[in-house]
Amino acid sequence: DTEVTQTPKHLVMGMTNKKSLKCEQHMGHRAMYWYKQKAKKPPELMFVYSYEKLSINESVPSRFSPECPNSSLLNLHLHALQPEDSALYLCASSQADRDGEKLFFGSGTQLSVL
Amino acid sequence: GESVGLHLPTLSVQEGDNSIINCAYSNSASDYFIWYKQESGKGPQFIIDIRSNMDKRQGQRVTVLLNKTVKHLSLQIAATQPGDSAVYFCAENNAGGTSYGKLTFGQGTILTVHP
Repeated sequence: DTEVTQTPKHLVMGMTNKKSLKCEQHMGHRAMYWYKQKAKKPPELMFVYSYEKLSINESVPSRFSPECPNSSLLNLHLHALQPEDSALYLCASSQADRDGEKLFFGSGTQLSVL
Repeated sequence: GESVGLHLPTLSVQEGDNSIINCAYSNSASDYFIWYKQESGKGPQFIIDIRSNMDKRQGQRVTVLLNKTVKHLSLQIAATQPGDSAVYFCAENNAGGTSYGKLTFGQGTILTVHP
């Protein structure tokens, strides 16, 4: 099973709302990620968690707040977003093997900020 | 510089043809590379990977070639099918000594397969 599950699939929110994106994996992977993808662009890394600790924050604005409650779950809390934050938000998880660190992605949450 | 409304490279092939998708990477320190396929409305799907100590790796209907001298990666798809139509991204791991996958993605190529 190489499944990463993201909810919700679609989200529309106003600039004053607070919402959360959720991600779950049951592959025992030790690292989890949030990526942002704008239309017709490649995914861009936002955050990396390794063993439930935040390892990388790619200078993401504080209106995005990640949380890793346990090794299977990853959340992204959203508050006071801007219309330009509208994008596909992708979660991924990974585990190293003899070749390298393979990332497996969920289907994403399509976010629209009005 | 990047222009507004930049269009992704596109490749159109007939069903049954072989497809070759190319990618140039920038970081000579990258030691691990992955090809992903992304269909509309879905997340990137792992296709095949290769380490920098290899120059070729084969999977089912796919082959990845790595030329470190010119920092070039290619994905070959044999007997392309309509279901192969998608955006294809190469990704390089420039983890900088860390052990997790800090992937940097290329710009992507749109593959369209005509029946």
